[in-house]
Amino acid sequence: GAVVSQHPSRVICKSGTSVKIECRSLDFQATTMFWYRQFPKQSLMLMATSNEGSKATYEQGVEKDKFLINHASLTLSTLTVTSAHPEDSSFYICSARGPGGSDEQYFGPGTRLTVT
Amino acid sequence: QKEVEQNSGPLSVPEGAIASLNCTYSDRVSQSFFWYRQYSGKSPELIMSIYSNGDKEDGRFTAQLNKASQYVSLLIRDSQPSDSATYLCAVRFTGRRALTFGSGTRLQVQP
Repeated sequence: GAVVSQHPSRVICKSGTSVKIECRSLDFQATTMFWYRQFPKQSLMLMATSNEGSKATYEQGVEKDKFLINHASLTLSTLTVTSAHPEDSSFYICSARGPGGSDEQYFGPGTRLTVT
Repeated sequence: QKEVEQNSGPLSVPEGAIASLNCTYSDRVSQSFFWYRQYSGKSPELIMSIYSNGDKEDGRFTAQLNKASQYVSLLIRDSQPSDSATYLCAVRFTGRRALTFGSGTRLQVQP
């Protein structure tokens, strides 16, 4: 149980375009999901907390107009990187709190974004 | 600021040895503690969770929690080359929904 999927696993896009990443909880409902970014050889950086049916909560320094988060259902959250630039190239990972609101977080496999 | 600290390593141990990974945290009232394993290029995978003082064992892994001293550790017995990865300590601080992660300790198990 507690499986989280992400799509796509890898995406290459041109500078100035937008990219949407989907995060799904496959076998449980997730009222809260989290979006992280990780640069090579660096630690996880929390970008935002995604709340089903309400606005996301962004961490300090993360541009909410650039990283649009939508959590429209109990099993799906999406992150859209708008007007992507090469410095947005990174490994984006979502996670969800486990069934029953447990404190455990289960991670999706991640999406590697390359902006050319 | 609430923080989680880990030695970045690398920690190098021979195959078959016990690997000991340590983590300290800043908030005395924290309730939930986790260890994740992250292979290079992959996302973190939950190994252990621990909520009360003492030891918790799961196979070759043992998590140890000492709330008075504000540290949590992970022991890996009979280390295998496949255990070579970065191990992330995570804490759920009171008042935050997201876990706070340490920067990770890189473990190398030498065959």
